[in-house]
Amino acid sequence: AQSVTQLDSQVPVFEEAPVELRCNYSSSVSVYLFWYVQYPNQGLQLLLKYLSGSTLVESINGFEAEFNKSQTSFHLRKPSVHISDTAEYFCAVSARRTGTASKLTFGTGTRLQVTL
Amino acid sequence: DAGITQSPRYKITETGRQVTLMCHQTWSHSYMFWYRQDLGHGLRLIYYSAAADITDKGEVPDGYVVSRSKTENFPLTLESATRSQTSVYFCASSDSSGSPGELFFGEGSRLTVL
Repeated sequence: AQSVTQLDSQVPVFEEAPVELRCNYSSSVSVYLFWYVQYPNQGLQLLLKYLSGSTLVESINGFEAEFNKSQTSFHLRKPSVHISDTAEYFCAVSARRTGTASKLTFGTGTRLQVTL
Repeated sequence: DAGITQSPRYKITETGRQVTLMCHQTWSHSYMFWYRQDLGHGLRLIYYSAAADITDKGEVPDGYVVSRSKTENFPLTLESATRSQTSVYFCASSDSSGSPGELFFGEGSRLTVL
């Protein structure tokens, strides 16, 4: 089984400041890693994913995450946040196995609050 | 409109009543999922389905029943609702031939059990 730990339940940050949302995972098998974002009163949307290859992955809106196998981490970063980035962010993991790749285990979420 | 829709969006019921939350997707995705979202717990998988007539338990299945007679529908039934089942429920779907782990979520159904 897999598990995900998001240590920070809330992260307040000023607009244009950098931010890092931390995610650590545990698994006995190889994994896929994901970050999902949830805006108020909406469902979750995929932000970015690590499947294989380069350990640094990027989203279209400036977020990036780096897969660190030795530290079992997949932290999410953005060098300069915008008010519109205010949302709940969920890290998720699934086993790298046929039939289970879409069976995600989510972390408890980190609320990013961006203020002026 | 194409996509994944949940109904009802909001529901208030009483302890002991049966409640069914509906989920419909128009993409013909093979996988469908039900998650519940609770403060401090994130999203927890209740049940999932790999195809019509194939369902399996997730992390927190007790008190819930699912069926999937058609690919596009995946209803979730609470046979006898309890206060602990007050939550926001999300349905999601995924294509087995698509990118692993890319789930498409509905907007959620907020259930309150009094």
